[in-house]
Amino acid sequence: KQEVTQIPAALSVPEGENLVLNCSFTDSAIYNLQWFRQDPGKGLTSLLLIQSSQREQTSGRLNASLDKSSGRSTLYIAASQPGDSATYLCAACSGNTGKLIFGQGTTLQVKP
Amino acid sequence: DAGVTQSPTHLIKTRGQQVTLRCSPKSGHDTVSWYQQALGQGPQFIFQYYEEEERQRGNFPDRFSGHQFPNYSSELNVNALLLGDSALYLCASSFRDRYYEQYFGPGTRLTVT
Repeated sequence: KQEVTQIPAALSVPEGENLVLNCSFTDSAIYNLQWFRQDPGKGLTSLLLIQSSQREQTSGRLNASLDKSSGRSTLYIAASQPGDSATYLCAACSGNTGKLIFGQGTTLQVKP
Repeated sequence: DAGVTQSPTHLIKTRGQQVTLRCSPKSGHDTVSWYQQALGQGPQFIFQYYEEEERQRGNFPDRFSGHQFPNYSSELNVNALLLGDSALYLCASSFRDRYYEQYFGPGTRLTVT
């Protein structure tokens, strides 16, 4: 049974700092891993998707890596901004139907 | 091009009542998945519908049921509501050949009193 864990649960950093969010999963037989952003009370916005055959994906100031052998993924945010404040969720896709197993999320606060 | 839409936005129900939530997928998508997100938790997979059939189901009781219509829209029904059913219910749509590209709706906030 796939389990996804995110550490830390909450993080507060000053504006401009580079930061790393961590995600671990127990079953390495994943199809892909995704990172989502969720603003309070809102739906999910997909940030990055890494296929099982890939090692990393980049979009602007965001970079996500995937290490299946160790069951880990990281989301790197460069030069953080107050607008980056949100909850970040990682999700492992363990089948070919798109069923996602989510971690509990990391709530990020970037202080001006 | 409208994205995934859900209705209603908010809903307040009493224990024991029944509720129906609705979802319209993104244009061109034929698969709908439903997730429950309790406060402070990550979303949990309820079930997925494709070709009007339940294709996969998570660890949720039979009180949770669904339906998909020929136009690919979907409903989530919850019977005999419990206080613990209070959550944000998220709908996600995708196309069967690109299952990994899932688009989420804004969710329906259900409060059970």
